[in-house]
Amino acid sequence: DQQVKQNSPSLSVQEGRISILNCDYTNSMFDYFLWYKKYPAEGPTFLISISSIKDKNEDGRFTVFLNKSAKHLSLHIVPSQPGDSAVYFCAASLETSYGKLTFGQGTILTVHP
Amino acid sequence: GAGVSQTPSNKVTEKGKYVELRCDPISGHTALYWYRQSLGQGPEFLIYFQGTGAADDSGLPNDRFFAVRPEGSVSTLKIQRTERGDSAVYLCASSLTRVAGANVLTFGAGSRLTVL
Repeated sequence: DQQVKQNSPSLSVQEGRISILNCDYTNSMFDYFLWYKKYPAEGPTFLISISSIKDKNEDGRFTVFLNKSAKHLSLHIVPSQPGDSAVYFCAASLETSYGKLTFGQGTILTVHP
Repeated sequence: GAGVSQTPSNKVTEKGKYVELRCDPISGHTALYWYRQSLGQGPEFLIYFQGTGAADDSGLPNDRFFAVRPEGSVSTLKIQRTERGDSAVYLCASSLTRVAGANVLTFGAGSRLTVL
């Protein structure tokens, strides 16, 4: 039972353009959603999060949008840079579940110079 | 230390052997987690420690897997009678006890286990 899904295995974008990474979930009880970025041979690093009571959170070039009715969230990166090339994981958690994150399968983002 | 340290970074073993993977969390982080990432998948939760005790081990796949954190800092994940299906990257993460907001985990680089 995949509660968090990233249906696009990969995304290719030109430098300077917008990257949009998508994530769907099935459990309406999730309280928080997080995005992690992973470079090869490194552990995932936290990027940005959003509470289920909000619909948008912005941090520099990164913005996460949450559509609770559609059980969908997206990460926008503007402008995209070659250094953003990595695997992006969407994750979700419950308020009561400490650090027990449920991850999606990941999307490989490639930003071409 | 400055980050979460995991050793070994790579481990190749034969089917049936015993393996130990070590995690040294960020100093002062009371919460420690083990996740497993198989090829092409996202990390999957295995076990959570708060201090010395395993608060949630619901993600451990079977009784061949065991983890300890005897002094509330370093943790060891132990796998007995390894099987080829255990091959994966084992990720350790730590965090401070959450006060408010999302509980942000800091991950180590992982230990890649290959069972031949």
